[in-house]
Amino acid sequence: DGGITQSPKYLFRKEGQNVTLSCEQNLNHDAMYWYRQDPGQGLRLIYYSQIVNDFQKGDIAEGYSVSREKKESFPLTVTSAQKNPTAFYLCASQARGGEAFYGYTFGSGTRLTVV
Amino acid sequence: AQKVTQAQTEISVVEKEDVTLDCVYETRDTTYYLFWYKQPPSGELVFLIRRNSFDEQNEISGRYSWNFQKSTSSFNFTITASQVVDSAVYFCGPDGGNKLVFGAGTILRVKS
Repeated sequence: DGGITQSPKYLFRKEGQNVTLSCEQNLNHDAMYWYRQDPGQGLRLIYYSQIVNDFQKGDIAEGYSVSREKKESFPLTVTSAQKNPTAFYLCASQARGGEAFYGYTFGSGTRLTVV
Repeated sequence: AQKVTQAQTEISVVEKEDVTLDCVYETRDTTYYLFWYKQPPSGELVFLIRRNSFDEQNEISGRYSWNFQKSTSSFNFTITASQVVDSAVYFCGPDGGNKLVFGAGTILRVKS
């Protein structure tokens, strides 16, 4: 079945450490996104990529980094510069092309906790 | 800038009641899409609907219906005969091209 796989589901990080969240999709989607969700708030965009080897900052990119070396993969690194990284992280993908418009497909998320 | 207001933080209903979730948005785009997503306790967002800003017809899909009124920038969502499985957080938002803009969400609790 096609979909998006995020791993791990739960992640614990010590202060000062970098951690990388995995996001893999087998939907052949061009665009991929990373969102952060905090309690009582909507999702906020961290980074997005519309094509391999290219990505753009979203609204809250500080303290995060990404890469898009393969179409199916869009890992997110939470660096030590991110002062409040404890949150729920969601990855999404979307097919784009021509006049057609498709909804976004989301992964099941990674819950990151700083200990 | 785009902005979404979901004024209802939390709604509780008894099973089989109808419930309407409100969504008011702001956008400067002349063409845009509007979305509703459902987030059950598992955390994954489930796509419900997307609506083109040129199409103001109401839409019905089973127990779900959507009322889009461009004049008031509202895109409200109604669940008819609610069920316990409808309990979730519901998000609406516009998509102006490169991203979705989410509201804070409305928690819906359906009690049996």
